[in-house]
Parts: sequence; structure tokens; C-alpha cells
Amino acid sequence: SAVISQKPSRDICQRGTSLTIQCQVDSQVTMMFWYRQQPGQSLTLIATANQGSEATYESGFVIDKFPISRPNLTFSTLTVSNMSPEDSSIYLCSVTLLSGNYGYTFGSGTRLTVV
Amino acid sequence: SQQGEEDPQALSIQEGENATMNCSYKTSINNLQWYRQNSGRGLVHLILIRSNEREKHSGRLRVTLDTSKKSSSLLITASRAADTASYFCAINSGGSNYKLTFGKGTLLTVNP
Repeated sequence: SAVISQKPSRDICQRGTSLTIQCQVDSQVTMMFWYRQQPGQSLTLIATANQGSEATYESGFVIDKFPISRPNLTFSTLTVSNMSPEDSSIYLCSVTLLSGNYGYTFGSGTRLTVV
Repeated sequence: SQQGEEDPQALSIQEGENATMNCSYKTSINNLQWYRQNSGRGLVHLILIRSNEREKHSGRLRVTLDTSKKSSSLLITASRAADTASYFCAINSGGSNYKLTFGKGTLLTVNP
């Protein structure tokens, strides 16, 4: 299975600022996703990162707030913009290699605290 | 929604006992997956069961799927303190997007 390096592992940020999270995969993958996990909650899909084109966002998430880049098959970034305390969450990237009939690999997560 | 719903929300057992967690969902699926998460860290894939399968085993894990009842169960046998974690089921509905929809999870505590 793929190995993901996700950075940073944690950060404490001031409200109104932005943070960019990086996800680097050790092999070419077809699908990359970004999830948010609010404290004590389950995972909610933010968007699917599409290589070379705009990400596909889920209901309730917009590009201005969560811009995503995926310049190639092994790298993606998620930016959390104009942060507020409500953005305090764990953000995780996830990849799958083939058709979705295989388990997904997750990064170790970025624990974000906005003060 | 397609979100899976785990039951129970929390489970506390003694080492050596078996732990059973259940997941229900609402519509058709391509496959159903179980994941483990330790203390808010990244998720680890445990097992995947396809819609045409009824049971799968992996080590001390046993997963069943009943598509007529739209439910799945995860059994961990001979539990260990190291099994303490949150367990999530995730639904893959198929189609071209391959995204997973996660349930709310079961927090399992295994007491030594």
C-alpha cells in the first residue's frame, strides 16, 4: 500500500490567518481526498483532489475557504483560509490506488488549533 | 444520507473478551470498509468486504455483511489492551468518485 507523508502534524494558528497542509505520497495514486474530523466526531469529506484541475467539493465546503491543489499524481495541498476557532479540527488526506475496491491509506493527520 | 451508523457508540471490555461492533447503512453499496483510529491519529484500514461477500476474516477480525438488512458487524476476538481505539465503518457506494462515507464510530476500551 501507499505511504503518505502529511505535514505539519500539528499547528496552533491565529484567527484570520491561513495554513497550508501538504500530502506527499510515495507512489502514483488515482484518487486523493481531504477529510476533516472535528473534535470527538467522525470524518467528513471536504473534497476530492483532482490532478491538474479544480477539486470537487462536497456540500458545505467551498474553494475560497479550502483551496486545494494537486499538481501531480503524488502531491496535494489543502489550505484552510481565514481561520476561525470553528476550524479547529484534524485534517487528513487519503489515497486509493485503483478502483476503490481496495482499502484507503490515510495520512497521520494535521491537528489544527485556531486561537 | 449514506452515512453508516455504528452501534454501540462506546464499548468497554476486559482483555481476552470478544468485542462486537455493528454498522447500519441506508442504500446500496459497492463495498464496506472498517478502519481503526488511535487517539485522533491517522486511520488504519482493517478489512474490506464487497457487496457480494457475506463474511471475511483477517487474523482476530471477522466481518460480516448482510445486504438485505443493510448492516455489517466487526468482531474482534481475544481482545488486547492494544486494541483500544475508535473503530469506523465506511461506505463505498461505487460510481466514478470512489469516495468513502464514514459512520460516527465506536470507541472501544479494552481494560487490562
